[in-house]
Amino acid sequence: GALVYQYPRRTICKSGTSMRMECQAVGFQATSVAWYRQSPQKTFELIALSTVNSAIKYEQNFTQEKFPISHPNLSFSSMTVLNAYLEDRGLYLCGAREGTGPEQFFGPGTRLTVL
Amino acid sequence: GQQVQQSPASLVLQEGENAELQCNFSTSLNSMQWFYQRPGGSLVSLFYNPSGTKHSGRLTSTTVIKERRSSLHISSSQTTDSGTYLCAFGTGGYKVVFGSGTRLLVSP
Repeated sequence: GALVYQYPRRTICKSGTSMRMECQAVGFQATSVAWYRQSPQKTFELIALSTVNSAIKYEQNFTQEKFPISHPNLSFSSMTVLNAYLEDRGLYLCGAREGTGPEQFFGPGTRLTVL
Repeated sequence: GQQVQQSPASLVLQEGENAELQCNFSTSLNSMQWFYQRPGGSLVSLFYNPSGTKHSGRLTSTTVIKERRSSLHISSSQTTDSGTYLCAFGTGGYKVVFGSGTRLLVSP
């Protein structure tokens, strides 16, 4: 079956430092990978969509300068939260899709705490 | 924009009672998923159900496309069912829109 793993599951960083998180697809080819964030007391919002061999599309209020994403192959993607501050706390979710299929497979998320 | 409304926002049950959770969508959809979010935060996929009815143990999901709604039924609830239940839908693009969740508490 199709599985998505995320690493680390939980992480803590000091305010002003950066944190890299990873997403790995197993059992299918992750042609596109979407990163979402769930801030405290809020629902998930899309950060950006990455498609292999295409430019990464960021949603409004999210930038490449703040959340650089790498999607080097069909099984792996990473995103870094640069210069993290309190407002960056939350659960970061990776969702991957194969081709143009409607189903998106999600990982369990990476919980980021900023001190 | 695309919106999804989940109800109820919160629910308290006695162990053994049943629960019915609802999601209503503002647009037509081509993908629909239900998730369980543990109290610690991690997400577990329960159903991918873009149409019709699916069963998994004590859980049943029913999606009616033309009515733009989906439901999640939990039968014989247990304390371990406590947590947040989220629905999410897609409309054909790559974006998935999440609901705000139903917080369920099952007491012994």
